[in-house]
Amino acid sequence: GENVEQHPSTLSVQEGDSAVIKCTYSDSASNYFPWYKQELGKGPQLIIDIRSNVGEKKDQRIAVTLNKTAKHFSLHITETQPEDSAVYFCAASYVTGGFKTIFGAGTRLFVKA
Amino acid sequence: DSGVTQTPKHLITATGQRVTLRCSPRSGDLSVYWYQQSLDQGLQFLIQYYNGEERAKGNILERFSAQQFPDLHSELNLSSLELGDSALYFCASSVGSLPNTGELFFGEGSRLTVL
Repeated sequence: GENVEQHPSTLSVQEGDSAVIKCTYSDSASNYFPWYKQELGKGPQLIIDIRSNVGEKKDQRIAVTLNKTAKHFSLHITETQPEDSAVYFCAASYVTGGFKTIFGAGTRLFVKA
Repeated sequence: DSGVTQTPKHLITATGQRVTLRCSPRSGDLSVYWYQQSLDQGLQFLIQYYNGEERAKGNILERFSAQQFPDLHSELNLSSLELGDSALYFCASSVGSLPNTGELFFGEGSRLTVL
């Protein structure tokens, strides 16, 4: 079925450390994988995305990797800062069964100063 | 500010009642999406409209319905409300009709509490 699994559900790191969040998807036809950050009291906001024709994309301290064969994609945040504390959602564009963006359950990231 | 406006921000009502949530998309966006976020849950896709027509459907209950009007604003109607319908309801918009065409712009949500 349409599913995006996301791990871990909660992640606590020390300021300056790296954080990694992992997701898997089930539709092999999926070709677009965005990541959203949701701060308290706000709607999710896109922070980075990757398409299936590339394996990695970087934007300053944030990077995303995609393994199409394994249907895995991951978010990497380096040199974490307290303002990185938020809920992060991965998502995948589903084609089979109808076009829709399916989100993972979210990861609550705490960055301790 | 994403440019997506949702009203009301907060709504408290009783079981069995009916409510309407409203969304105005970003200027120029033709697609409107509705998502439900329950406590400590992810974003559950409900429904998408593109230029006035239903485009995709998720796990939307039969008690819920939505529409998109000619001016592109959208309304989500929730009826025969149950305690379990208490959640944050997000509207998002995008330019294109397909989920892989780019970013979804989310509003700040409407928090519904059913007592």
